[in-house]
Amino acid sequence: RKEVEQDPGPFNVPEGATVAFNCTYSNSASQSFFWYRQDCRKEPKLLMSVYSSGNEDGRFTAQLNRASQYISLLIRDSKLSDSATYLCVVNTRTNAGKSTFGDGTTLTVKP
Amino acid sequence: NAGVTQTPKFRVLKTGQSMTLLCAQDMNHEYMYWYRQDPGMGLRLIHYSVGEGTTAKGEVPDGYNVSRLKKQNFLLGLESAAPSQTSVYFCASSHYSGQPKIQETQYFGPGTRLLVL
Repeated sequence: RKEVEQDPGPFNVPEGATVAFNCTYSNSASQSFFWYRQDCRKEPKLLMSVYSSGNEDGRFTAQLNRASQYISLLIRDSKLSDSATYLCVVNTRTNAGKSTFGDGTTLTVKP
Repeated sequence: NAGVTQTPKFRVLKTGQSMTLLCAQDMNHEYMYWYRQDPGMGLRLIHYSVGEGTTAKGEVPDGYNVSRLKKQNFLLGLESAAPSQTSVYFCASSHYSGQPKIQETQYFGPGTRLLVL
């Protein structure tokens, strides 16, 4: 079983839709969590950190459920420009500097 | 402030040739990483460094060597390239915080596309 697992999708949604991605992690000692966005043939870029209390940035909301060991990303009112691959990232103190990346979930928003 | 830069952007090698990929960061980050990403796949960690003069193996280190002689630079070497090393290579760097240390957000370079024939 992978340390970090994501539904690969693809998710194909119309503009204006709400879409949610989940990511599960297996190491209960995981400390910090992030969502990155990767456009085709480009480098990953930080979308948002995920805090225990949940956090929101415009149309994007991230949630953390430590008891069930998963994080989620909700995108409201999807735009064409949201089409990308979304990577879940988990950091664990015992991993001495390494981050664990999920394989990503691909989202395509269609007109 | 250029962030993380990678050289070269694209390279074609013949099987058995060697090359070095250069990564440079100007953010004074302690941690640096080399990943590879194959088409339709996730990122796989090759080697990483938690400070100048230190390196460690990641998930897929075979066929690669690294050096971190200066804090701002992290070099990835391929001694004898193989077609299986055709990939996109990303370098990244990050700060750390807390005790014991845990890395913060990673900043990625634009990638090096390598084709081994």
